[in-house]
Amino acid sequence: EIVLTQSPATLSLSPGERATLSCRASQSVSNYLGWYQKKPGQAPRLLIYGASSRATGIPARFSGSGSGTDFTLTISSLEPEDFAVYYCQQGSNWPLSFGGGTKVEIK
Amino acid sequence: EVQLVESGGGLVQAGGSLRLSCAASGLTFSNSWMSWVRQAPGKGLEWVATINPDGNAKYYVDSVKGRFTISRDNAKTSLYLQMTSLRGEDTAVYFCARYNRVFDYWGQGTLVPVSS
Repeated sequence: EIVLTQSPATLSLSPGERATLSCRASQSVSNYLGWYQKKPGQAPRLLIYGASSRATGIPARFSGSGSGTDFTLTISSLEPEDFAVYYCQQGSNWPLSFGGGTKVEIK
Repeated sequence: EVQLVESGGGLVQAGGSLRLSCAASGLTFSNSWMSWVRQAPGKGLEWVATINPDGNAKYYVDSVKGRFTISRDNAKTSLYLQMTSLRGEDTAVYFCARYNRVFDYWGQGTLVPVSS
């Protein structure tokens, strides 16, 4: 079973600042890694697939990088609507798994 | 436009059963791997189950094996989750999603509270 560890648990930033979120896998997932944004009462929204490809309609301020076991989601300049919880997810092995999430909150 | 619409949620007693449905449109359902993902109150996302396009391969998280069954009807473009022996820890919003190594399309979810 692959465990995904996200850090930090909470990121307190101001609009316009850069956010850097980390996801570490307990074993290699190659590039089968996705990132999601989740807001209360809403469905999760796919941001990044294949570790670094933006999903349809996702703004260019969101970018993903990494392969193997270490991955990063970067939001280059936070907009007010970006304050949410972010999850990584691996699609390499069964059982599928999500990280515990990083909450990006307004400082 | 892809639409996934869940139904069937509602309050159920511990030990009881419930069947969730997900009606799909706007995608080639018969070629799509489909999944259920849940989120317990105040918790993170948890993958529950996935089924392949033919319905002959099914995968489950350990905590639901033997209690939940995922199935599909390609003619009705619908996905199902039969849940039995429900426990308090199954209380969650259940989302239907298309699986393509990632979950690219999601429904809005249906709430399943389990009372003990």
